[in-house]
Amino acid sequence: AQSVAQPEDQVNVAEGNPLTVKCTYSVSGNPYLFWYVQYPNRGLQFLLKYITGDNLVKGSYGFEAEFNKSQTSFHLKKPSALVSDSALYFCAVRDVNRSGGSYIPTFGRGTSLIVHP
Amino acid sequence: NAGVTQTPKFRVLKTGQSMTLLCAQDMNHEYMYWYRQDPGMGLRLIHYSVGEGTTAKGEVPDGYNVSRLKKQNFLLGLESAAPSQTSVYFCASSYYIIQGRFSYEQYFGPGTRLTVT
Repeated sequence: AQSVAQPEDQVNVAEGNPLTVKCTYSVSGNPYLFWYVQYPNRGLQFLLKYITGDNLVKGSYGFEAEFNKSQTSFHLKKPSALVSDSALYFCAVRDVNRSGGSYIPTFGRGTSLIVHP
Repeated sequence: NAGVTQTPKFRVLKTGQSMTLLCAQDMNHEYMYWYRQDPGMGLRLIHYSVGEGTTAKGEVPDGYNVSRLKKQNFLLGLESAAPSQTSVYFCASSYYIIQGRFSYEQYFGPGTRLTVT
């Protein structure tokens, strides 16, 4: 079975400060990992993904995420937060070796990021 | 490309009425999904499809049916709506080949807000 946890329901950060949104995962094999962002009254938008290779992945809007296999984590980071980054962020995982051809990812419950001016 | 589109954007139903939500994608994706999003519950998978003519149950399939007669369309039906089906429904698609490599991130539609009274 695969699972993902986002331990914080809400993260508050001041504009200009670095931000981190945490994600930990569990899979039986190797993971495919994803981050999505959801702005109010909108669908989820893909931000970035880890498939293989470099543990530091860069994505849209200046976001990056670090894959840490030993800690089974994939935390989302940004060096300098903007008020416009305020949104709901979802982490998702899919086992590389998932059989049956379903390729269905599992989503975390989301973390609300609030960036204060 | 329009990406993933959903019809309608809003709908109010009375208990016992039926309706169909339409999802269309123009990206030639193999997989399509229907999710519902409720406060505090994150995203929950209703049904999904790994190809034209195939469908499978997700986490919360009861009370819903789906069909994928064409690769680009995925329909979600509610035969007899109940107040518990009040939610925001998202369609997504994924799984395609780009530059000879598989890509698994999902692309989401803008959502359908359904209220059942």
